[in-house]
Amino acid sequence: GAGVSQSPRYKVAKRGQDVALRCDPISGHVSLFWYQQALGQGPEFLTYFQNEAQLDKSGLPSDRFFAERPEGSVSTLKIQRTQQEDSAVYLCASSPVLGSIETQYFGPGTRLLVL
Amino acid sequence: ELKVEQNPLFLSMQEGKNYTIYCNYSTTSDRLYWYRQDPGKSLESLFVLLSNGAVKQEGRLMASLDTKARLSTLHITAAVHDLSATYFCAVANTGTASKLTFGTGTRLQVTL
Repeated sequence: GAGVSQSPRYKVAKRGQDVALRCDPISGHVSLFWYQQALGQGPEFLTYFQNEAQLDKSGLPSDRFFAERPEGSVSTLKIQRTQQEDSAVYLCASSPVLGSIETQYFGPGTRLLVL
Repeated sequence: ELKVEQNPLFLSMQEGKNYTIYCNYSTTSDRLYWYRQDPGKSLESLFVLLSNGAVKQEGRLMASLDTKARLSTLHITAAVHDLSATYFCAVANTGTASKLTFGTGTRLQVTL
């Protein structure tokens, strides 16, 4: 079946622009995660949804970052007034069940470059 | 705060050789994952380790977990070029659903 998909795959933004990154999880997956991966680093947790509820947003680096999953499937990560330090790969992951042993399945990521 | 450390950060090895990547973590956890990432690609799940003493093997890769030592190892046997990639361990934060904390990764280069 289809895996996690993300769009766009690449995004170039001028500093100060707003961007929106989309994630389509695997159909039926309850849990959805966003991670930020800086060049040469491991992914860092941003936020987590169970269905449409955002249960953990402790990793969002500032109030310029906002995520939503209004119908419990597709999710959007929005970054307002982008800064150069926001340049990174943004990874979305989904898993079937909350709090289970299930693996998180990652999408291909959106590579964001802020100029 | 949970911290995850991997070593080495970079590993160059010849085909046919054996080596081990180490993953240490700072607080109690009940789940540890190993992922592989090829350049410009996303993360591919390799192993999930759920209990002390757990050992899993797939092809030339074998992962183990010692929860008392807070240590996991990824052992590579008779390396081949196709194993060249970056390997990450990730630890689940107990009590916070499935949030993962990743190590910095080990970049493996297998040379002919």
